[in-house]
Amino acid sequence: QSALTQPPSASGSPGQSVTISCTGTSSDVGGYNYVSWYQQHPGKAPKLMIYEVSKRPSGVPDRFSGSKSGNTASLTVSGLQAEDEADYYCSSYEGSNNLAFGGGTYLTVL
Amino acid sequence: EVQLVESGGGLVKPGGSLRLSCAASGFTFTTYSMNWVRQAPGKGLEWVSSISSSSSYRYYADSVKGRFTISRDNAKNSLYLQMNSLRAEDTAVYYCARGADTAMVPPYFDKWGQGTLVTVSS
Repeated sequence: QSALTQPPSASGSPGQSVTISCTGTSSDVGGYNYVSWYQQHPGKAPKLMIYEVSKRPSGVPDRFSGSKSGNTASLTVSGLQAEDEADYYCSSYEGSNNLAFGGGTYLTVL
Repeated sequence: EVQLVESGGGLVKPGGSLRLSCAASGFTFTTYSMNWVRQAPGKGLEWVSSISSSSSYRYYADSVKGRFTISRDNAKNSLYLQMNSLRAEDTAVYYCARGADTAMVPPYFDKWGQGTLVTVSS
């Protein structure tokens, strides 16, 4: 069982916005600004999309944004495109030199 | 271009050992931490182990502590994972990933390899 809770699935139509949640505790998500998000297409390696809650690596479209409130972090994908269909994983530093991942959310573009 | 290429995966019996390697290129290897993350078939990601740039700090997930050893050779731009006492639940794709060089487990990984599959089965 994953330390961070994500919904197993999410969906939206092209052009719409979708938000994926990642719920932890005050010992991980709520305690550190070290939440990151990864995109993984089937059979491919994960790709960093968001780090330190809301920062975007170079090359990641600004359609992807991250935020946090209390013990829950969120990834919002705006202007959905077909290529956004993939698994999305959150992760958070949880102290004591451990890193937790969420169970993943499969985003379907309808 | 940053490249991380894993090798060494394969089929091994429970209780056996395997050594994974990761060859890095396209960046200054000695200024980054290196890490292993695994993914069991059809499952999510799990952080396994991290090592700082000079090997001063090494960290392990509880699930592998005492069985796995992470190391690196900065002269060869290579990362390793020695896996002993393997169990069926260690079956996964093992990814090599680059992280910031810190005294703690890096909070995120900005580049990943394509992974190597380890299957533990009799």
